Amino acid sequence: GNSVTQMEGPVTLSEEAFLTINCTYTATGYPSLFWYVQYPGEGLQLLLKATKADDKGSNKGFEATYRKETTSFHLEKGSVQVSDSAVYFCALNLLTGGGNKLTFGTGTQLKVEL
Amino acid sequence: DAGVIQSPRHEVTEMGQEVTLRCKPISGHDYLFWYRQTMMRGLELLIYFNNNVPIDDSGMPEDRFSAKMPNASFSTLKIQPSEPRDSAVYFCASSLRGGWNSPLHFGNGTRLTVT
Repeated sequence: GNSVTQMEGPVTLSEEAFLTINCTYTATGYPSLFWYVQYPGEGLQLLLKATKADDKGSNKGFEATYRKETTSFHLEKGSVQVSDSAVYFCALNLLTGGGNKLTFGTGTQLKVEL
Repeated sequence: DAGVIQSPRHEVTEMGQEVTLRCKPISGHDYLFWYRQTMMRGLELLIYFNNNVPIDDSGMPEDRFSAKMPNASFSTLKIQPSEPRDSAVYFCASSLRGGWNSPLHFGNGTRLTVT
């Protein structure tokens, strides 16, 4: 079946540190890949996406590159801010029967301290 | 746009009671999803609708759970009777169309506590 594996959190960083959150996937087919972010007390929001191999998704200083050879979609940011503290979810989507069924990872909590 | 609106934000009930969660999707979105989030199991897709028709309910835990979408602007998730293990945050999400290129827009969730 399809699955997403993320590194466990919490990840605690100092402001301006470099961030990497690892994500690997297993899928029967050719998925699209997503990162969603969840701020405290809110629902998930799309952060970035990539729909084919070697695509790079980017938004708000975050980047992730779709690596088919390693089945990975690691999230990176060069300099984190306190406001980036949130839970980050990696997800994949395989179009089956016209649906839009996302498979999520378990989420990685990021805490950024001054 | 007001986004996906869920109500109530918090619900506390006793075991055995009926619980109804409500969702108003973004206007014009064809797909509506119900997710459940717990620490132990993460995010689980319970059911999703396309044009008000349930497409996949394989994630609904058991017969105590039911979901309806009587029109394009309203959906309910009902639990009857509720049990303590149903305690979780329930999210509704909608998307403009199906397919891999249409992002989900989530509501802020309903935190359900069953005592």
